Amino acid sequence: EAQVTQNPRYLITVTGKKLTVTCSQNMNHEYMSWYRQDPGLGLRQIYYSMNVEVTDKGDVPEGYKVSRKEKRNFPLILESPSPNQTSLYFCASSSGQGYQPQHFGDGTRLSIL
Amino acid sequence: QKEVEQNSGPLSVPEGAIASLNCTYSDRGSQSFFWYRQYSGKSPELIMSIYSNGDKEDGRFTAQLNKASQYVSLLIRDSQPSDSATYLCAVNQWPGTGGYNKLIFGAGTRLAVHP
Repeated sequence: EAQVTQNPRYLITVTGKKLTVTCSQNMNHEYMSWYRQDPGLGLRQIYYSMNVEVTDKGDVPEGYKVSRKEKRNFPLILESPSPNQTSLYFCASSSGQGYQPQHFGDGTRLSIL
Repeated sequence: QKEVEQNSGPLSVPEGAIASLNCTYSDRGSQSFFWYRQYSGKSPELIMSIYSNGDKEDGRFTAQLNKASQYVSLLIRDSQPSDSATYLCAVNQWPGTGGYNKLIFGAGTRLAVHP
């Protein structure tokens, strides 16, 4: 089954404790993105990757890091989480830049206390 | 000015009626347009994609695109309570020469279909 898998689905943690949200896709997609979703603000792109070892900032990259060492994986790293990073996070992948739809993971709800 | 604008709603329609959801965008170079449905706490699910001016129908859903007016809409015929969700409009952003052609999402319109 074609899917984008995120882990964990839920996480409550404290300020400053490094965390990683993993994302894996099995569709051999080149393009992967991370979004955060906050009430009234819609989906905002954090980082994206066009291929292995190729990543770039989206609209709200501050406080986040990513890496793309393998085509299927695109982890999101919060090295020193803060309460304003409490949000619902989605990983997505697509086979084309903007011409193909993005397929979303089930989401990760992060709460930073 | 927001790049992709949607009325936040809620749009309330009776069961069996036609729901009309609208979206405007600012980038005239945009070429790909998508409608996603999102239930509360769930991930966005692709409903329709449209690339050319005119209408595109898929079951009870019809997407309409007017590039001259920078307007895209989604019609849901015979609305059902199970259609109650937030509908996200997404538009690709033309980067110009080089660059990444990314999707920009509207904030979504909440649809409520009541029996």
